[in-house]
Amino acid sequence: SQQGEEDPQALSIQEGENATMNCSYKTSINNLQWYRQNSGRGLVHLILIRSNEREKHSGRLRVTLDTSKKSSSLLITASRAADTASYFCATDKFGNQFYFGTGTSLTVIP
Amino acid sequence: KAGVTQTPRYLIKTRGQQVTLSCSPISGHRSVSWYQQTPGQGLQFLFEYFSETQRNKGNFPGRFSGRQFSNSRSEMNVSTLELGDSALYLCASSVLQGNQNTIYFGEGSWLTVV
Repeated sequence: SQQGEEDPQALSIQEGENATMNCSYKTSINNLQWYRQNSGRGLVHLILIRSNEREKHSGRLRVTLDTSKKSSSLLITASRAADTASYFCATDKFGNQFYFGTGTSLTVIP
Repeated sequence: KAGVTQTPRYLIKTRGQQVTLSCSPISGHRSVSWYQQTPGQGLQFLFEYFSETQRNKGNFPGRFSGRQFSNSRSEMNVSTLELGDSALYLCASSVLQGNQNTIYFGEGSWLTVV
């Protein structure tokens, strides 16, 4: 079974609004990463947060990690239509086997 | 630096046939992993190769196999295709830096079994 679960499964917002999606996982992890996938394409790496980090920023992205709750959140600020995609969290325990969540489908309405 | 390259991008096969998919990793990446993505099951880990050795394997039947060559290029093979094998097959390569291992994906191979 998959390690991670994203919540919500689908999210629809207006351009300019912030989008928040959450990821929960089951076991201890080494790192947690977020990926974006445009329809029918490969996954693009967005950001990595280590298990000893609590928050990380990259441009309009903010990721938090709470290892006590085994959860992470991805915040996209000032969303754009181009942010429309599916977002996945991925965890690894030993650095070479990754488990992906089920994904959040984000739609940004212009 | 070129990204992960997968071929073919699209293919249609008939039930019972076999298929081979190819993946060229990013130069310098020795780890190659394969994933199957379907609408109902999401991204499922198939296997991971490192230096021509299968290091990890997901929960797939023996019809799914793979290999890695000395130049790190990898192939995966699915024999006796079933309708349920229709999926996007994604290859990813990575290199471990410290304890951080970021995987980079190819565009995938769309397999349709009819």
